[in-house]
Amino acid sequence: EPEVTQTPSHQVTQMGQEVILRCVPISNHLYFYWYRQILGQKVEFLVSFYNNEISEKSEIFDDQFSVERPDGSNFTLKIRSTKLEDSAMYFCASSSSGANVLTFGAGSRLTVL
Amino acid sequence: GQQVMQIPQYQHVQEGEDFTTYCNSSTTLSNIQWYKQRPGGHPVFLIQLVKSGEVKKQKRLTFQFGEAKKNSSLHITATQTTDVGTYFCAASGGSNYKLTFGKGTLLTVNP
Repeated sequence: EPEVTQTPSHQVTQMGQEVILRCVPISNHLYFYWYRQILGQKVEFLVSFYNNEISEKSEIFDDQFSVERPDGSNFTLKIRSTKLEDSAMYFCASSSSGANVLTFGAGSRLTVL
Repeated sequence: GQQVMQIPQYQHVQEGEDFTTYCNSSTTLSNIQWYKQRPGGHPVFLIQLVKSGEVKKQKRLTFQFGEAKKNSSLHITATQTTDVGTYFCAASGGSNYKLTFGKGTLLTVNP
C-alpha cells in the first residue's frame, strides 16, 4: 500500500538552529500538508500546499516556517530558528482530493534543547 | 476557522464494554472524517461521512452523521485491547485545503 515517508524520524537540535524536515508524499497525490502534535495534545494544522504554492496556513505558521517542493517527489518543512516550543511531532500528509482522506507519514519528532 | 468539539477527552473501559465518542460543530459541516492514532503512532483515516443522517459500519465500529450535519459519533461495540488509541474527528468546513482535527478521545481498555 502506498505510504508517506518522513525523515528524520527524530531530530535533536539546539535553540536557534535551522531544521529541515523531509517528506515524500504518495506519488499521485496533489495536496500536501504539515501538521504538528505536541505530546499528548491535538493534531494542529500548519500549512497546506497545492499547485506549487501555499494554499492555506495557520497562525502557527509564522515567518520562521517555510515549505518547499524542490523536486517532483520531496516536500520539506523548514524552521529557520528553532524555539523550545517548537518541540513536537511533525506529521506530513497528502491526499488526492483536497482535505479528504489524508494519508499521514509516521512523523518526525523534533526536540529543541 | 472550522472548529469541532469532541467529548469525552478520555474514556477507560473494561474489555467487552462499549465505547462512544462524540463530535460537535456550531456550523453545518460538508463532511466529517474519523481518524485513529495508536499510542506512539500517526493518525490513520477510518471513514468519511458526507450525507445527512448517514450511518456507516466497519465491523464493530459504527459511525453516524447527524441530520443537521453538525454532529457525529463513533461507537465501538464490545471493545478489544486492539481498540486502544486516540480517536479524532476532523472537518474541513468547506475548505479544500485545511482539515481541522478535534482534540480527540483517548480510549484505554482494561483486559
